[in-house]
Amino acid sequence: GAGVSQSPSNKVTEKGKDVELRCDPISGHTALYWYRQSLGQGLEFLIYFQGNSAPDKSGLPSDRFSAERTGGSVSTLTIQRTQQEDSAVYLCASSLDFGSNQPQHFGDGTRLSIL
Amino acid sequence: AQSVSQHNHHVILSEAASLELGCNYSYGGTVNLFWYVQYPGQHLQLLLKYFSGDPLVKGIKGFEAEFIKSKFSFNLRKPSVQWSDTAEYFCAVNAKNAGNMLTFGGGTRLMVKP
Repeated sequence: GAGVSQSPSNKVTEKGKDVELRCDPISGHTALYWYRQSLGQGLEFLIYFQGNSAPDKSGLPSDRFSAERTGGSVSTLTIQRTQQEDSAVYLCASSLDFGSNQPQHFGDGTRLSIL
Repeated sequence: AQSVSQHNHHVILSEAASLELGCNYSYGGTVNLFWYVQYPGQHLQLLLKYFSGDPLVKGIKGFEAEFIKSKFSFNLRKPSVQWSDTAEYFCAVNAKNAGNMLTFGGGTRLMVKP
């Protein structure tokens, strides 16, 4: 497709369950980013990929969060043993490369609700 | 590390009013500056950006922003707003030549009354 695609668009799950969020970047974009948008917290950077590599995982909120990217394309963000504070909109973005002057293109996000 | 402050959380204007949304950042080095907009039900879109050169940059839909280095500010302006400008606006920065991790401000919700 022409833009960044995220799935599912909405996810409701019970506390303690694992969830997997998917991001399909714009074709040819080597850099991929995950952000979290929480009520009262604004947009928070989580992790980025250059190709399949994530050089810095320090932005992930806890060790329950992990992310991977395969084939330089699709990325998944996994949250294990979900907690209520994980409820947020998870946004994915991609850019042509990781240069600081490259505009990021955002997907529609996955709205995650933990009951 | 960078930080970004948007002091106006909610703004309500009537159509044709002028708009100025404040954005201040904190960082000891050189930055690139961005404004993103999120219309209701849509994804974040780039409104305009500043990398270097003329500190007054023009974006889409009649928006402009001015980088004032001495004030660490990058305020967004529009002379005459329209109902269709109702959206949430985010200021963002990244450290120049140090990767593309964006730090966002908390956002400003703009409502334009018809």
